Amino acid sequence: DAKTTQPPSMDCAEGRAANLPCNHSTISGNEYVYWYRQIHSQGPQYIIHGLKNNETNEMASLIITEDRKSSTLILPHATLRDTAVYYCIVRVGGNQFYFGTGTSLTVIP
Amino acid sequence: GAGVSQTPSNKVTEKGKYVELRCDPISGHTALYWYRQSLGQGPEFLIYFQGTGAADDSGLPNDRFFAVRPEGSVSTLKIQRTERGDSAVYLCASSLGTGRTETQYFGPGTRLLVL
Repeated sequence: DAKTTQPPSMDCAEGRAANLPCNHSTISGNEYVYWYRQIHSQGPQYIIHGLKNNETNEMASLIITEDRKSSTLILPHATLRDTAVYYCIVRVGGNQFYFGTGTSLTVIP
Repeated sequence: GAGVSQTPSNKVTEKGKYVELRCDPISGHTALYWYRQSLGQGPEFLIYFQGTGAADDSGLPNDRFFAVRPEGSVSTLKIQRTERGDSAVYLCASSLGTGRTETQYFGPGTRLLVL
């Protein structure tokens, strides 16, 4: 069964906030949630990670529900360069990152 | 500083041939990971090294795949008797350590095409 579930695609208007959801209902109590993105033909790029508290950095904010079964990545002011595939990731088996299939975000001018 | 680098960036080979893919991790990173990404899919774990030793090779699909990291820095992924199904992007990542909060930093990948 999937470790993470994300919608396959989303659109967002340029300048608006992009909210990308992820379900990770089987996450264990001490595992972090990571978010990466992958722009076409590049390697995945780290965005943010968190355990149970909300996190914010210069790229994005991460909101994790109290039961830790889901999270939302927020890009506060999406730009065209934010068009990418966004992966919500959990660790399995120790140090393996489980990527799933991600959400393809298209930022529309 | 320099990020993770991978060579070659593209590799075209014929079915049955042997290929080697190289990864140079970020200096000082003790952990190194290999992933494989097929078209339209997310990356899938292959193997990871802590120092020179393979700590987890459970993702290697079969015994045609092998990876080494002899001096605890550069790693080589080796594929014998390549098959068309091996065509994919092979990604390498490194991290400073292996704690639960360690971020993995990815290279640009090697695009392998087996004809």
